[in-house]
Amino acid sequence: DQQVKQNSPSLSVQEGRISILNCDYTNSMFDYFLWYKKYPAEGPTFLISISSIKDKNEDGRFTVFLNKSAKHLSLHIVPSQPGDSAVYFCAASGETSGSRLTFGEGTQLTVNP
Amino acid sequence: NAGVTQTPKFQVLKTGQSMTLQCAQDMNHNSMYWYRQDPGMGLRLIYYSASEGTTDKGEVPNGYNVSRLNKREFSLRLESAAPSQTSVYFCASSPGVYRGNYGYTFGSGTRLTVV
Repeated sequence: DQQVKQNSPSLSVQEGRISILNCDYTNSMFDYFLWYKKYPAEGPTFLISISSIKDKNEDGRFTVFLNKSAKHLSLHIVPSQPGDSAVYFCAASGETSGSRLTFGEGTQLTVNP
Repeated sequence: NAGVTQTPKFQVLKTGQSMTLQCAQDMNHNSMYWYRQDPGMGLRLIYYSASEGTTDKGEVPNGYNVSRLNKREFSLRLESAAPSQTSVYFCASSPGVYRGNYGYTFGSGTRLTVV
């Protein structure tokens, strides 16, 4: 039972354009959502997060949107840069899971110069 | 400024061999985790330790055991390795009580191949 799903295994965009990565979840008990970024041969690193009491959180070029009714969140990167090329993981947690995170499958983003 | 340190970085095992993956963190975090990453499967939780002295199963615990040696160290043991355990293993730590904005800190991973 995949509670966090990223349906797009890969995404390719041109430098300077917007990248939109999507994530869906099924567990209505999730109340905190995070995005992690992973380069090859490195561990994932925290990128941005959002609480379920908000519908948007922005940090520089990165914005996360949360649609609770649709159980959907998205990560927008504007403008995209070649250094953004990485695997992006969506993750979620809730009161019943304590500090444990449930991750999606990941989306490989490639930003072409 | 080490964060989370995992050893070894690479390992090749024969089916049936045993080994222990080591993990240590220097951030005084309460909680520690072991994940495996497989293509198309994302990161799946094997075992976790919410605090020193406790361990619990995650999504995919079969074939593994763990030891929370002290607050800093959390090891993962494969008693009898199988080809299905070929994967990249990540250790992570978090403050535990406060999920906050920073979530986990991950190690750089151990790439394990079982032949």
